[in-house]
Amino acid sequence: NAGVTQTPKFRILKIGQSMTLQCTQDMNHNYMYWYRQDPGMGLKLIYYSVGAGITDKGEVPNGYNVSRSTTEDFPLRLELAAPSQTSVYFCASSYLGAFAYNEQFFGPGTRLTVL
Amino acid sequence: GIQVEQSPPDLILQEGANSTLRCNFSDSVNNLQWFHQNPWGQLINLFYIPSGTKQNGRLSATTVATERYSSLYISSSQTTDSGVYFCAVDLNYGGSQGNLIFGKGTKLSVKP
Repeated sequence: NAGVTQTPKFRILKIGQSMTLQCTQDMNHNYMYWYRQDPGMGLKLIYYSVGAGITDKGEVPNGYNVSRSTTEDFPLRLELAAPSQTSVYFCASSYLGAFAYNEQFFGPGTRLTVL
Repeated sequence: GIQVEQSPPDLILQEGANSTLRCNFSDSVNNLQWFHQNPWGQLINLFYIPSGTKQNGRLSATTVATERYSSLYISSSQTTDSGVYFCAVDLNYGGSQGNLIFGKGTKLSVKP
């Protein structure tokens, strides 16, 4: 049981480039999230998904896109990278349902630098 | 929106000392979690504790939902306890996205 895995661990992009951050969970969780963490701050929600085929915006969605074609995978797409997207990106998952907990489990993060 | 405030922002301890970290929140919550972010950036789940008290080794946590606060107690601190401790809450209402609202964290440094 690997939990939540993310790739890559580190990436440097040039301004205007695009990339996809991968996230996979093997806990059969229905909810998945993408957060970003800027230096010295807590995490902020970018996008979330309540199940395959359903996604919605969080607090800071501009410049990002997501898709969820399977329960396990929730990739985050950066289009036209900008220096403001330099951050650490965390993927998380949880199970929500009637009488179910929402304990979230986090991946190891992707450190992205845009130059 | 809901406010999550953590105190103190920074804490320096000598190895072996005890400490209490505080998390105050401005609205009723459905979920509260404590995390430790180690120096390598990894977020480690410490407690899922929307109410009550839990203990895990040298760590314990208490949440008093009616008074809108939670405390994390670290006893006999070790250098490996260093890092940032985050409190995060999920709002208690039907339209909640289920996402966590994070405080800014308490940075703990334990000196040998």
